[in-house]
Amino acid sequence: KAGVTQTPRYLIKTRGQQVTLSCSPISGHRSVSWYQQTPGQGLQFLFEYFSETQRNKGNFPGRFSGRQFSNSRSEMNVSTLELGDSALYLCASSQTFNTGELFFGEGSRLTVL
Amino acid sequence: GQNIDQPTEMTATEGAIVQINCTYQTSGFNGLFWYQQHAGEAPTFLSYNVLDGLEEKGRFSSFLSRSKGYSYLLLKELQMKDSASYLCAVKGYGQNFVFGPGTRLSALP
Repeated sequence: KAGVTQTPRYLIKTRGQQVTLSCSPISGHRSVSWYQQTPGQGLQFLFEYFSETQRNKGNFPGRFSGRQFSNSRSEMNVSTLELGDSALYLCASSQTFNTGELFFGEGSRLTVL
Repeated sequence: GQNIDQPTEMTATEGAIVQINCTYQTSGFNGLFWYQQHAGEAPTFLSYNVLDGLEEKGRFSSFLSRSKGYSYLLLKELQMKDSASYLCAVKGYGQNFVFGPGTRLSALP
């Protein structure tokens, strides 16, 4: 069974640009959540999607958005990038909402210059 | 809201028993999870407690006391490959996972 796949793995952007990150969950998993990981803040929850609906949202500005498609694949978008957005963005999938362990992808490492 | 606290760093010798503590405050509780994250890699699931008591899984065990808002992860026979960050995470019912800051464990020969 293939694991969680995130693309791209690495990317460099400049301030003011926008970025879209993609996540394909494990086959059969319907819940996808996104996290931002930085050395100072640890793992911070961004949002969680289940059946194409956002179920929970973390304390991030509106520049951070996401969506989930009917095949459970998910994307997150960050607009008007700031230097502080440089981080590892991790996607995790689970079989269903509100239960179960998380299976993480390798992450997308974003550097904003 | 939810607040989770863990020691920042720990060091132990190969073969030792290591206990990593986690304290939490939460408005709802639907499980406490432990994840291991090696440097540069994704977190991987280690163990899960929803009821009080000890859950054993090979060299790893996890304990939970819901009344005290306390959990620990116990690593027996520490190996060099156990050098990693250990993340405590709490899930509230209908809520997202909240992760602690992580404990960076270094195993010394």
